[in-house]
Amino acid sequence: GQQLNQSPQSMFIQEGEDVSMNCTSSSIFNTWLWYKQDPGEGPVLLIALYKAGELTSNGRLTAQFGITRKDSFLNISASIPSDVGIYFCAASSGTYKYIFGTGTRLKVLA
Amino acid sequence: GAVVSQHPSRVICKSGTSVKIECRSLDFQATTMFWYRQFPKKSLMLMATSNEGSKATYEQGVEKDKFLINHASLTLSTLTVTSAHPEDSSFYICSARTATGNTEAFFGQGTRLTVV
Repeated sequence: GQQLNQSPQSMFIQEGEDVSMNCTSSSIFNTWLWYKQDPGEGPVLLIALYKAGELTSNGRLTAQFGITRKDSFLNISASIPSDVGIYFCAASSGTYKYIFGTGTRLKVLA
Repeated sequence: GAVVSQHPSRVICKSGTSVKIECRSLDFQATTMFWYRQFPKKSLMLMATSNEGSKATYEQGVEKDKFLINHASLTLSTLTVTSAHPEDSSFYICSARTATGNTEAFFGQGTRLTVV
């Protein structure tokens, strides 16, 4: 079945550093979403991407929809302690449902 | 962004009893709602998709008689865990898609179910 491979699994970074994570798949998707989940909470939508090649920013966050439609990346610039959490990519092929990546656990060291 | 409210946020129940979890879209109409289950330090596993006014579509391996889903209106879907057992203890999260416009999904706060 369809799978999203998300990497890295986890990362420790220093405050102020930039962060990059990505999702890849062997399947083609029409929509990519990036979420952040804090412990004990539901995921919060960060960025939505709808076109191949699309590059979208939301504050310090930037995400791109890969040109092949099989991947996406998320960058966080100048990380701060509140960026800590789990980041999930999600993708849809135009059907009604999304599949989720395995998550990237981010820890920021002050 | 659109707001999805899930209730309760935490519930503890005895083994053998049933628990109902509500998912409401507060400021938009949701023709489609999704129910996920999340194990500790794991990703979200889609359990079922519910469309307003029709039967839910369950993912492979999910028991539809155990996890009853009702989507009675464009703003409310419920998940009932019937005859709960300790192995049903988990974090359950709903999400909803808007009826029109872009297709992003918004999540509720999640429900931590503990079956004792």
